[in-house]
Amino acid sequence: NAGVTQTPKFQVLKTGQSMTLQCAQDMNHEYMSWYRQDPGMGLRLIHYSVGAGITDQGEVPNGYNVSRSTTEDFPLRLLSAAPSQTSVYFCASTGAGGPNYEQYFGPGTRLTVT
Amino acid sequence: RKEVEQDPGPFNVPEGATVAFNCTYSNSASQSFFWYRQDCRKEPKLLMSVYSSGNEDGRFTAQLNRASQYISLLIRDSKLSDSATYLCVVIMNTGNQFYFGTGTSLTVIP
Repeated sequence: NAGVTQTPKFQVLKTGQSMTLQCAQDMNHEYMSWYRQDPGMGLRLIHYSVGAGITDQGEVPNGYNVSRSTTEDFPLRLLSAAPSQTSVYFCASTGAGGPNYEQYFGPGTRLTVT
Repeated sequence: RKEVEQDPGPFNVPEGATVAFNCTYSNSASQSFFWYRQDCRKEPKLLMSVYSSGNEDGRFTAQLNRASQYISLLIRDSKLSDSATYLCVVIMNTGNQFYFGTGTSLTVIP
């Protein structure tokens, strides 16, 4: 199993550009989530999904969209990038039983918005 | 107020030392607790779950104090390889959202 994969690993955007961060998992996990990690702030939940077709907002959803058309994929879209969205983004998935089980994280995407 | 608070450190300890981290949480209805480890520029990985009765995994001991709303992690006989950031994680009673602390940085010195 590849586990949780994320692409790209690094990205530089100009203010106002849009892009999609890709996340995929091959463990047949129902629960997937997106976090951003900033210095001194820890990981903060952006959006999460408890299954295909179901998404919900986390702690910091503004400026981001998600969709979950399949169990495997959970892309994160930045609609109009802003310098405040410069961060490291992690995707994670959790197995049966929901979030009380171990979260598996992808390697992260380092995004810089200029 | 943050849902989960940790002392960021850094903690610099010599090899062989015992070190303890605490983490406080604000919601008394929190239901599940974990410690994750994150190496520099890497993704977090589960270190251990925290059970009400306390639990041990080798040199690592985790405790939960519901009355005072904190969890702790004790590392005995520190190794150089223990150098990392340790994140406490709390799941609220809704069950769908993880709350991470900001992490405590540990450096074990030869």
